[in-house]
Amino acid sequence: DTAVSQTPKYLVTQMGNDKSIKCEQNLGHDTMYWYKQDSKKFLKIMFSYNNKELIINETVPNRFSPKSPDKAHLNLHINSLELGDSAVYFCASRARGLTQYFGPGTRLTVL
Amino acid sequence: EDKVVQSPLSLVVHEGDTVTLNCSYEVTNFRSLLWYKQEKKAPTFLFMLTSSGIEKKSGRLSSILDKKELFSILNITATQTGDSAVYLCVCMDSNYQLIWGAGTKLIIKP
Repeated sequence: DTAVSQTPKYLVTQMGNDKSIKCEQNLGHDTMYWYKQDSKKFLKIMFSYNNKELIINETVPNRFSPKSPDKAHLNLHINSLELGDSAVYFCASRARGLTQYFGPGTRLTVL
Repeated sequence: EDKVVQSPLSLVVHEGDTVTLNCSYEVTNFRSLLWYKQEKKAPTFLFMLTSSGIEKKSGRLSSILDKKELFSILNITATQTGDSAVYLCVCMDSNYQLIWGAGTKLIIKP
């Protein structure tokens, strides 16, 4: 069974649209993250939730809104998509300690 | 099923030691292999390896890929306490999907 899953894997959409990316982990972890990977392969943290509560909210446009309906899910909703939002978005989860388990990524392309 | 296996899972050494971290993979339609260093927040990109046998270096870190034997190693020489982190190996397939290893937790003791 996949530990951290993301849907969809690919998302191609037009500028101005609203879209969501879903993330689910079946590891029983308390903490989940969203990262954006830029063209230089750097992963930048966007949000972190612990037990459904927001604990990290980096400088991210208000168009991005995370939602955690329960501990196992952290969804990312993006309003009014812009060209610069095109990237790969990774979800991750973590128990205690440092190791994060990453999902396979969602490649978002905004046309 | 694609998989990336890192070893050891954890490693404790003293400052000044040299360490070698291993990563083996079975990935259909392999494109490249990446190494990340993860401390408190987002993993920091270290290397991307696409070709076999070409060593990439950055300071005390170096890495090489063997596409025949399907593995990569990450070497750190003259380790420092600041090298303590989790090192992540990840493979990218032809569809740009990433398959992540579980990481090697490296602890450098003064």
